[in-house]
Amino acid sequence: NAGVTQTPKFQVLKTGQSMTLQCAQDMNHEYMSWYRQDPGMGLRLIHYSVGAGITDQGEVPNGYNVSRSTTEDFPLRLLSAAPSQTSVYFCASGRAANEQFFGPGTRLTVL
Amino acid sequence: GENVEQHPSTLSVQEGDSAVIKCTYSDSASNYFPWYKQELGKGPQLIIDIRSNVGEKKDQRIAVTLNKTAKHFSLHITETQPEDSAVYFCAATSNTGNQFYFGTGTSLTVIP
Repeated sequence: NAGVTQTPKFQVLKTGQSMTLQCAQDMNHEYMSWYRQDPGMGLRLIHYSVGAGITDQGEVPNGYNVSRSTTEDFPLRLLSAAPSQTSVYFCASGRAANEQFFGPGTRLTVL
Repeated sequence: GENVEQHPSTLSVQEGDSAVIKCTYSDSASNYFPWYKQELGKGPQLIIDIRSNVGEKKDQRIAVTLNKTAKHFSLHITETQPEDSAVYFCAATSNTGNQFYFGTGTSLTVIP
């Protein structure tokens, strides 16, 4: 099993550009989530999904969209990137919210 | 929502000594408390967890204690080794169980 994979590993965007961060898991987990990690602030939940077709907002959802059309994939979309979205983004999955497995992260810089 | 506070933010110990990291939470309905270890350039990895119906849990050199009345829980690492050097995060679940709220992290350095 590859576990949780994230692409790309690094990305630089200009303000106003859009992009999608990809996340995939091959463990047949129902629960998937996206976090952002900023210095001194720990990890903050952006969006999560408890199964295909079901998504919900986390602590900091503004500026981000998600969808869950399959069990395996949970992409995170930035429609109009802002410098405040410069961060490291982690995707995680688990049988439930408990026992989440994290991916390796995507480092995003918005200029 | 839940508020999780974590202390200290940095911790240095001599190899072989013990390390203790403490977290407090605000939502009395929270019932699951995991601890994650994050090495440089990697994603967090679950190392131990505890549920609200248990006061203490141990796994080799790592233990976690929970005081529900005081709403705090702690990570204890004994006989520390250089490979324990990392950032450690505590977390607590929301009352729905679907959202984790993380502490701000503790950077642990074990000095050989």
